[in-house]
Amino acid sequence: GNSVTQMEGPVTLSEEAFLTINCTYTATGYPSLFWYVQYPGEGLQLLLKATKADDKGSNKGFEATYRKETTSFHLEKGSVQVSDSAVYFCALKEGGGADGLTFGKGTHLIIQP
Amino acid sequence: DTGVSQDPRHKITKRGQNVTFRCDPISEHNRLYWYRQTLGQGPEFLTYFQNEAQLEKSRLLSDRFSAERPKGSFSTLEIQRTEQGDSAMYLCASSVTGGMNTEAFFGQGTRLTVV
Repeated sequence: GNSVTQMEGPVTLSEEAFLTINCTYTATGYPSLFWYVQYPGEGLQLLLKATKADDKGSNKGFEATYRKETTSFHLEKGSVQVSDSAVYFCALKEGGGADGLTFGKGTHLIIQP
Repeated sequence: DTGVSQDPRHKITKRGQNVTFRCDPISEHNRLYWYRQTLGQGPEFLTYFQNEAQLEKSRLLSDRFSAERPKGSFSTLEIQRTEQGDSAMYLCASSVTGGMNTEAFFGQGTRLTVV
């Protein structure tokens, strides 16, 4: 079956540091890949997505590149801010079957001023 | 429209009781999804609807769980004979019908505590 593995948190960084949150996946086909973010007290929001190999998704300074050869979709940001503190979820969606998303366990990111 | 709405936000129930949660999707969205999220885990897909048709229900956790979307608008998720292991956050999401990159919009969830 499908699965998503992402680095465990919490991840604590200082403001303006470089961020990487690793995500790897297992899928039987060619999934679309997503990063969702959950800010404190809010629902899950789509941060970025990529639908095929070598696509790069980007939003709010975050980027992730769909790497089919390494089955990865690592999230990066060059300079984090305190407001980026949240829980980040990597997810995949595979067509042809159930339409739901398969999520990783989430990574809690804490940015200190 | 302010997004996906779920009610109640919190529910405490005694073991063995039945509970029902409601989800109101974004009005023009014809797909509606239910997920369960336990502490420290990502959301786990349960079921989904396209309009009033339930297209996937094999992922429902047991026969105590059922969902409906009778008129293709709001949906309900019912858990019968609740158990302590059912304590979790139940999330609803909606989307337009589309391809594999269609964005799902999530509600804030209903937190269930079974005592």
